[in-house]
Amino acid sequence: DTGVSQDPRHKITKRGQNVTFRCDPISEHNRLYWYRQTLGQGPEFLTYFQNEAQLEKSRLLSDRFSAERPKGSFSTLEIQRTEQGDSAMYLCASSRDRGHIDTEAFFGQGTRLTVV
Amino acid sequence: AQKITQTQPGMFVQEKEAVTLDCTYDTSDPSYGLFWYKQPSSGEMIFLIYQGSYDQQNATEGRYSLNFQKARKSANLVISASQLGDSAMYFCAMREGSGTYKYIFGTGTRLKVLA
Repeated sequence: DTGVSQDPRHKITKRGQNVTFRCDPISEHNRLYWYRQTLGQGPEFLTYFQNEAQLEKSRLLSDRFSAERPKGSFSTLEIQRTEQGDSAMYLCASSRDRGHIDTEAFFGQGTRLTVV
Repeated sequence: AQKITQTQPGMFVQEKEAVTLDCTYDTSDPSYGLFWYKQPSSGEMIFLIYQGSYDQQNATEGRYSLNFQKARKSANLVISASQLGDSAMYFCAMREGSGTYKYIFGTGTRLKVLA
């Protein structure tokens, strides 16, 4: 069990460019979550997957954002035409769904995006 | 709509003392779970403790305990015998039993342990 892995850890991009982040969850974890965290704030929910199905997207997730989880394993989060307001830490988490609410999520170390 | 409120932006505590971090929540779902996470400067969120809405006793995990007052909708984290390594951001989160099972976080409390 190597934990949740996110790549890259840091990304600096020019406004208008596209970026893609990758998240590798803990193996056998069927749920995967994406959160965004800005300085001094708590993580804000973006979207989540159960296996390969994307079950919910936050209204925060504009049409410039897209997430995938092919084959229910790793996930990617793509941001198109980045804006300075997209600068944030993007956190990925996974959990093993046992059908109960007491399941804790395990988080990766995040990808810090800076849009210049 | 579910909501988590943490009213203490920052807290100081002397090493070896106990400290309480406040968390109140709002939900209409009778089934829910409350979580506390620690986020050190490295950025990774670390799970600390869980309390279920139907749990009769307050949760404890080592030096962490949760003061759960259901009628007041509060779930305060108590850290006993504070250590310098406890300095971090602490987030309260909630997960409802119905719906999507997403975790909703508060704005956090920054704890500084003084030597």
